[in-house]
Amino acid sequence: NAGVIQTPRHKVTGKGQEATLWCEPISGHSAVFWYRQTIVQGLEFLTYFRNQAPIDDSGMPKERFSAQMPNQSHSTLKIQSTQPQDSAVYLCASSLARGGTYEQYFGPGTRLTVL
Amino acid sequence: GEQVEQLPSILRVQEGSSASINCTYENSASNYFPWYKQEPGENPKLIIDIRSNMERKQTQGLIVLLDKKAKRFSLHITDTQPGDSAMYFCAGNSAGNKLTFGIGTRVLVRP
Repeated sequence: NAGVIQTPRHKVTGKGQEATLWCEPISGHSAVFWYRQTIVQGLEFLTYFRNQAPIDDSGMPKERFSAQMPNQSHSTLKIQSTQPQDSAVYLCASSLARGGTYEQYFGPGTRLTVL
Repeated sequence: GEQVEQLPSILRVQEGSSASINCTYENSASNYFPWYKQEPGENPKLIIDIRSNMERKQTQGLIVLLDKKAKRFSLHITDTQPGDSAMYFCAGNSAGNKLTFGIGTRVLVRP
């Protein structure tokens, strides 16, 4: 069990550039969550997929942020026109989620730095 | 509301003593309360959790208590060791199983 895989581990972008973050959930897990962690705001929920379908994106900034889960083995978080305030560690978590509430396991995160 | 309040923000304890972290939640529908430990440069790791059908759970030196009436839950680390020094986060679930996290507690265990 390799755990949740996230790539890249570090990404540096210039202001206004695009950033795409990748997440591979634990095999067999049907739910994928994206969170963002900063010193000031702590751990914040962004969005959530179950069986590849978007369930809740209430934490996503309405502009510039989008997430997809094209197949059961990976999800992407895309940030267009990155801004310095987007700098954070973006964490992906996966869970079994078979009709109940199951444990969420985090990947190592992608540290995004926007210059 | 879906806020989870966590106190204290910093906790300094002597090795061998116990450490307690308290959290309160707003969402009456929350029924799952995990605790995560995060060491510097690492991802948060699930260490223990409790569901609303329980009041107490214990595993490997960790005790969690849940008071649903007061909407309060707590983590107690017994016989603390230097390896217990880390950030600890409480969380509660809400609609769709997303987690709302507390702001975190930095635990420092003095030898």
